[in-house]
Amino acid sequence: KAGVTQTPRYLIKTRGQQVTLSCSPISGHRSVSWYQQTPGQGLQFLFEYFSETQRNKGNFPGRFSGRQFSNSRSEMNVSTLELGDSALYLCASSSGQVNEKLFFGSGTQLSVL
Amino acid sequence: AQSVTQPDIHITVSEGASLELRCNYSYGATPYLFWYVQSPGQGLQLLLKYFSGDTLVQGIKGFEAEFKRSQSSFNLRKPSVHWSDAAEYFCAVGAASGGSYIPTFGRGTSLIVHP
Repeated sequence: KAGVTQTPRYLIKTRGQQVTLSCSPISGHRSVSWYQQTPGQGLQFLFEYFSETQRNKGNFPGRFSGRQFSNSRSEMNVSTLELGDSALYLCASSSGQVNEKLFFGSGTQLSVL
Repeated sequence: AQSVTQPDIHITVSEGASLELRCNYSYGATPYLFWYVQSPGQGLQLLLKYFSGDTLVQGIKGFEAEFKRSQSSFNLRKPSVHWSDAAEYFCAVGAASGGSYIPTFGRGTSLIVHP
């Protein structure tokens, strides 16, 4: 099985722009979750989608949003980018059952200039 | 709210030596506990998880962890470290929510392995 695929791998944007990141889960997985990783704040949970519905949400401003499509692929959008949004954004997929492990992608490295 | 503390930012060990990475958590109910490893430029890989049952959990790559409720700890151990174990290690606690869980991660421990 192919692993979790995140595109693009690297992205450079300027303040005020918006960005969309993509995540393709492992085939058959219905849950996709997103995380932000920075040197200052560490790894933080953004949100989780299951069967096209947001099931859980972390403590991030409304500029961060996401969605999930019927094929379980997910996108994450950040509007009005700030310098502090520079981070590695990771997504993970799972079957969606509570005791199932997460499989992570390699991430999208976003730099905001 | 749940929290995780990994007291050691860096740990240096010699190849072949034993390893213990510390993790303390704060959570009001029975926690879901995890250890992940991250190599540079990569995503996270699950080493092991604890949901219930036997408090000594075996994972991949020869790692194990022990859940101690009285100490709110979930320390990761390996009897003999290999150079390829050099990486960042994250402990996480999951709070049950909406049929799933919301993970909170520690700040990570960087493992350096000397030959």
